[in-house]
Amino acid sequence: DQQVKQNSPSLSVQEGRISILNCDYTNSMFDYFLWYKKYPAEGPTFLISISSIKDKNEDGRFTVFLNKSAKHLSLHIVPSQPGDSAVYFCAATPNTGNQFYFGTGTSLTVIP
Amino acid sequence: DAGVIQSPRHEVTEMGQEVTLRCKPISGHNSLFWYRQTMMRGLELLIYFNNNVPIDDSGMPEDRFSAKMPNASFSTLKIQPSEPRDSAVYFCASSPQAGGSYEQYFGPGTRLTVT
Repeated sequence: DQQVKQNSPSLSVQEGRISILNCDYTNSMFDYFLWYKKYPAEGPTFLISISSIKDKNEDGRFTVFLNKSAKHLSLHIVPSQPGDSAVYFCAATPNTGNQFYFGTGTSLTVIP
Repeated sequence: DAGVIQSPRHEVTEMGQEVTLRCKPISGHNSLFWYRQTMMRGLELLIYFNNNVPIDDSGMPEDRFSAKMPNASFSTLKIQPSEPRDSAVYFCASSPQAGGSYEQYFGPGTRLTVT
């Protein structure tokens, strides 16, 4: 059973606009959430994370929002750039660092 | 640092053959993870090592799968015998697991095709 879900397999956005990628989870024990970006033929690379004690974390063009009551997190990329075109995975862990659950990914295409 | 190194990058084998995937984690990282990526299930954690000791192998799908970490710089994932449904991309990741940060560093993956 998928404990972390990314219900949108793909997303297309115009360059310069905002990209919003969504992720839902079911396990209330999850304490730490991460977003990874993956290019073809490469492994995922860490992008940004957030602890459950926060509801927002920002790093440059990337912001992650966490809504614990809704068990929902989102990644905002603004402004979107063509180089952001990749598959984005969200992941969650119960803050023990030894069990990670990934979503199935959302393929983002930023159109120049 | 060279990052996490995996070999081979591609493996094509026939059903019933033994397959061994290799991983060299980043020096100084004390945690190592093996993942399998499929279209249907995304990234699934197979097994996790901490300080070379297997901590949780509940994600290993069957007894045909085994993993070892004989030292801090090397790990293997073995499938014996392999089956077509094992075809996937297998990733190894390492993590320093320091300071409450759970960021993982992934290798480039091994694409396994079992015919």
